[in-house]
This record gives sequence, structure tokens and C-alpha cells, in this order.
Amino acid sequence: NAGVTQTPKFQVLKTGQSMTLQCAQDMNHNSMYWYRQDPGMGLRLIYYSASEGTTDKGEVPNGYNVSRLNKREFSLRLESAAPSQTSVYFCASRGTGKTYEQYFGPGTRLTVT
Amino acid sequence: GENVEQHPSTLSVQEGDSAVIKCTYSDSASNYFPWYKQELGKRPQLIIDIRSNVGEKKDQRIAVTLNKTAKHFSLHITETQPEDSAVYFCAALYNFNKFYFGSGTKLNVKP
Repeated sequence: NAGVTQTPKFQVLKTGQSMTLQCAQDMNHNSMYWYRQDPGMGLRLIYYSASEGTTDKGEVPNGYNVSRLNKREFSLRLESAAPSQTSVYFCASRGTGKTYEQYFGPGTRLTVT
Repeated sequence: GENVEQHPSTLSVQEGDSAVIKCTYSDSASNYFPWYKQELGKRPQLIIDIRSNVGEKKDQRIAVTLNKTAKHFSLHITETQPEDSAVYFCAALYNFNKFYFGSGTKLNVKP
């Protein structure tokens, strides 16, 4: 039982390049989330998916797109990376009903030069 | 939406002392308030949480209190130990789906 996994762990991009961050969970959770964490700041919600087939914007969605490929997988895409997107990205998942606890992946450290 | 403010941003205590971190939230619709501990280079880990129908919850040396009227909640750590040193984040669950985080408190426990 791996929990929440993310790939890659580290990535360096040049301005204008694109990439997709992958996230998968094996806990049969309905809800999945993407956050970014900048130095000295808390986590900010980029997008979330309350269930398979649905996605919705969070606090800072500009410059990102997401895909809920199936119940297990939720990917985050940067179409044209900018230096302002340099951050650590965390994926998380949460169960259904009265289960509120989030489980986080190990994070992806992204640098855009 | 929701806005979560967290204070202080840094906190230094002597080993064995207590530490208190406070958060306020803006939207009365928020109903779940978790606290996370994050060590350097690691993912956030849930340490305690509280729901809006409860005023206080305790787990060994850690406790959380919630004042719904004033819209604030606090983390209390007693008998602090050096391994408690980390960054602590509060959060609020808004509209059953969106989590909003505070900006974090860096706790330093001096041996």
C-alpha cells in the first residue's frame, strides 16, 4: 500500500517548456488535490477533483491544467512554464463522506529558469 | 472563499515549555480544522484535527481548541521536545472540498 505517489521528484524546466506532473493513490479515495508551496508560505490549492470525472479551480489555477484520468490518477500540466511557477508541488487525496483527512504525496520540486 | 491567518510566524521555546499557535478563519461555513507538521524537505503530516461540533480535542501532548463564535482555533503543545521543532500549518476545510492553509509557524525547541 504505497499511499499517494508523485513523479518526478525533481524537475528543471526552461521558460516556455511544458510538462506534466503525475499523481496516483491506491486508497480508493474520491477526492484528489494539487497544491503548490512557496518558501515561507503555506500550501495553496491549485485544482481539485471531488470525484472521478470532475475538476474544479482552487486559489491559484492560472497557468495550470489538470486531468482526472481515472479514480487513481490526477495529473497537473504546465503548458508554458514561467519562473513564477518555481515551487514544490504536492498532491493529496481524501476519502469520502465523513472522512476529512488528507494524505499527501512526497512532493515534486520544480525549478523554472 | 476562505482566508486563514496564522500567528506567530516563528516561535522559540525552551525544552519542556508549552507552545501555542493560533489561527483565525473568515468563513463560518468551514467545518473541519486540521493541523499539520512539516519537517524540512518532507510532506505535511496530520498531527491533530477538530470538527466544528467539538470545542476541544487532545492527543497526549497535543491539543486543539476551537472557538466558532470568534472563528479561531489554536494548537497547544505541552512539554515540548527538540523533535517537536518543525513548521506547523493550520488549515480550514471550506465548502466540504477546499482546504485553505495558514502561512505556517516555524517552531524551534531549544534543548
